[in-house]
Amino acid sequence: AQSVTQPDIHITVSEGASLELRCNYSYGATPYLFWYVQSPGQGLQLLLKYFSGDTLVQGIKGFEAEFKRSQSSFNLRKPSVHWSDAAEYFCAVGVTYGGSQGNLIFGKGTKLSVKP
Amino acid sequence: SQTIHQWPATLVQPVGSPLSLECTVEGTSNPNLYWYRQAAGRGLQLLFYSVGIGQISSEVPQNLSASRPQDRQFILSSKKLLLSDSGFYLCAWGSFRDRGVYEQYFGPGTRLTVT
Repeated sequence: AQSVTQPDIHITVSEGASLELRCNYSYGATPYLFWYVQSPGQGLQLLLKYFSGDTLVQGIKGFEAEFKRSQSSFNLRKPSVHWSDAAEYFCAVGVTYGGSQGNLIFGKGTKLSVKP
Repeated sequence: SQTIHQWPATLVQPVGSPLSLECTVEGTSNPNLYWYRQAAGRGLQLLFYSVGIGQISSEVPQNLSASRPQDRQFILSSKKLLLSDSGFYLCAWGSFRDRGVYEQYFGPGTRLTVT
C-alpha cells in the first residue's frame, strides 16, 4: 500500500543553521512527490515537486529536495534557515486510481521550530 | 491565475447544530476538488473528493456530507455536529499533471470549533 513516513515529528534548529527534513515513501511505480509548508492557521503551500528527470529539485523560499529511488526518500533541505521558516512541513506522494481519480497521500508532518 | 476561497474563516457551533462550509475556485474549469480535515496531532485526513458536478467520493464514513452543485463550488455539510467534528477544514483543487496524478492547491482553511 502507498504510504509516506516523516520520521521526525518536531525539529528545532538555530537560525542560520542548515536544515534537512526526512521523508520516506512507499509506492509501486515511479512516484510523483511533493513538499508542502503550512504556517499556523493557514492553508498548505506547495514548496516543490518531483515528477521526473533531475533528482535534485529546487523550490520556493530557497528550499530544495533530492529524490533517491534506492532509499525511497525525498528529503527537504535548506542551507540556512530563517526565523520565518518556522512552520509545519508535509511530504506527499501522488497516487492514481484510474480515470480522473487522483489523490495525494500525506505524511503526518514535521513541525519546525527556529531558535534565534 | 487560479485562486481558491473558503468561508467562513472561523466558526463556533454548538453540538447538534447544522454545518455548511463553502469552497470556490476561480481561474480554472472542471477541477478535481477535495475536502480535508486536520485535527490536532493527526495530520491531514481526506474526507471527500469530486471529479465533476454531482460526483462525490467519500473516503471516511462519518456524519459529514459533501456536494458539488456547480463546477467550481464544493460544499461540506452536516445535519448535526458532533464534538469530534472540531478541526481545521481545508479545501483543495487538483491540477492534472501526468499519469493520473493531480497536483493540489489549498485554500486558507476554516477553523471549526464545536462546543
